Amino acid sequence: GAVVSQHPSRVICKSGTSVKIECRSLDFQATTMFWYRQFPKQSLMLMATSNEGSKATYEQGVEKDKFLINHASLTLSTLTVTSAHPEDSSFYICSATVREINTEAFFGQGTRLTVV
Amino acid sequence: AQTVTQSQPEMSVQEAETVTLSCTYDTSESNYYLFWYKQPPSRQMILVIRQEAYKQQNATENRFSVNFQKAAKSFSLKISDSQLGDTAMYFCAFTNTNAGKSTFGDGTTLTVKP
Repeated sequence: GAVVSQHPSRVICKSGTSVKIECRSLDFQATTMFWYRQFPKQSLMLMATSNEGSKATYEQGVEKDKFLINHASLTLSTLTVTSAHPEDSSFYICSATVREINTEAFFGQGTRLTVV
Repeated sequence: AQTVTQSQPEMSVQEAETVTLSCTYDTSESNYYLFWYKQPPSRQMILVIRQEAYKQQNATENRFSVNFQKAAKSFSLKISDSQLGDTAMYFCAFTNTNAGKSTFGDGTTLTVKP
């Protein structure tokens, strides 16, 4: 099956610094990648939709200058949390859809971000 | 906009028994996909089963089956012969065919008891 690798799985950073999370589709070309945020025991909240070579589309209420998304190739999307604060601490998950079958999403392992 | 509702925040079942998780959704679209995902304590999202809206036949995948009622906009998941490894949070998801964007329900935490 299609594999999506997300890195790092855990990261701790100091308040005010930036942290980058990578999402790679290992064995397929991803038409679109999605970034979600999940609080403990809650649902996945879509943050943005990322298409290769174009600007990401952010959901209402998500600060695009704080959560920078770059989708430079069909296999890689990155989420950079800029000037992180403790309230940005959360679990971030990416997913990717296959170019030919634009429905089923394949998920990365998630990244637990802790800002201290 | 689509909405997905899972009305059971928590459920439990005895090992080897059957349990049904409910999901309803609201949409004006005629063609879409529905999914059930499992999220164990590792938090890795795992696809359990998928259903194409244009197919009337209910999807099955080993011990997992769905009851898809398109007119009622209902999409329940039945787990037969429950196993301890089925303990997880289960999310129902609606996916727009064109955009590929998914809307998730709030989840149901299922505990399988020995």
